[in-house]
Formats: sequence, structure tokens, C-alpha cells
Amino acid sequence: AQSVTQPDIHITVSEGASLELRCNYSYGATPYLFWYVQSPGQGLQLLLKYFSGDTLVQGIKGFEAEFKRSQSSFNLRKPSVHWSDAAEYFCAVGARAGKSTFGDGTTLTVKP
Amino acid sequence: GAVVSQHPSRVICKSGTSVKIECRSLDFQATTMFWYRQFPKKSLMLMATSNEGSKATYEQGVEKDKFLINHASLTLSTLTVTSAHPEDSSFYICSAGGSSGYNEQFFGPGTRLTVL
Repeated sequence: AQSVTQPDIHITVSEGASLELRCNYSYGATPYLFWYVQSPGQGLQLLLKYFSGDTLVQGIKGFEAEFKRSQSSFNLRKPSVHWSDAAEYFCAVGARAGKSTFGDGTTLTVKP
Repeated sequence: GAVVSQHPSRVICKSGTSVKIECRSLDFQATTMFWYRQFPKKSLMLMATSNEGSKATYEQGVEKDKFLINHASLTLSTLTVTSAHPEDSSFYICSAGGSSGYNEQFFGPGTRLTVL
């Protein structure tokens, strides 16, 4: 069975500071990994995805994530956070069958 | 990227009535669509997978007679909440799968259902 763990329920960072959101997964084969962002009352927007190849993935809005097979991790990073990045972030793992399993999400608060 | 729309964005209904939510893929054909439910401060819970022209596959614990899913065309799937109760109040999100084969999904903006 596949599963995703986001250890941090809530993270607060100052504007301009760097950010790392953690994601650990359990999956029986090569995973397809995703990071999504959700603003209050909105649907999910894809930030980036990993299917294969280069383990460092660049996404939109200045985000990147690194796939580390040995650690079963796919952490999301951003070098300098903006106030508009405050939102809920979800890591997900999917199978070719089409179902995605989502983590419980991490709420990001940005201090001015 | 591909665009998925949902209608309505918000709906308030009385207990016992039925509500239909539409999910449309606007610029691509979606052979598969997914319906999720999200509680406040919680992750998305997959309710069902619908494939065009066939019956939906429901996740364990989801009442198929209460949450009716129809996927009559490659661009439209509907979720009907029948005999709605206050506990059905939630945020419902659909997603549409493309044909890339890599499980890429495009999410709709969600529908907020409030049952009085």
C-alpha cells in the first residue's frame, strides 16, 4: 500500500527566509511524486512533479524538490519565501493506475 | 496546463434534497476523473474513480447510492449527493486524468457544499 507522511503540520517562516517542507513516502515501485499548493477555499495547483530522471525537480513559483530514493523523501524547497506563499501544501504519490494518495498537508504561515 | 472547471463553486441546500456537482475538462479529453472530499484542515480523501462510459469505482466506505457519479462524456463527470444531510457538508474536488499515462491529474477549483 502506498502512503505519504508530511511530518510538519504547521510551519512558520519569515518573509525572505528559506523554506523546506518535508515529505516521506512508502511505495512498492518507482513512485510518481507531486507537490500541490492550496489556497483557502480553492482547489489544488500543481507545483511540480517527479516521474523519472533528474532527481532535482524545478517547479513553478520558484519551488524545487529533490527526490531521494534512499531516504524515501521528496522535500520541497524555496530559497526565499514571499508572503503570497502562505497556503496549504500537499505531497502526493500516484500510481499508473491513476490514484493519488495525499499527505495530510503542511500549513505554511509567512511572517512579515 | 489543462483546465478543469467545477460548477457550482458554492451551494447551500436543505437537508433531504439532492445536489449535483459538475466537473468539466475544458481543453482535453479526460478518460478518467476522480472525486475527492476534503474536510477542514484535512487531506483529500478519494471517494471514487469514474471512467467514461462505465460505472464508477468507489473507495471503501463511500456509499455509492448516496454519491452518484456519472461520466457520460470525455469532458463531463457529475457527482450527485442524494438526500443530503448536514454531515455531507464539505469541500468536494474533482480531478481529471490526462492520457499521458503518468497519472498526471488536473484539479478543479472545488465546490463548497453546505447542507442546512
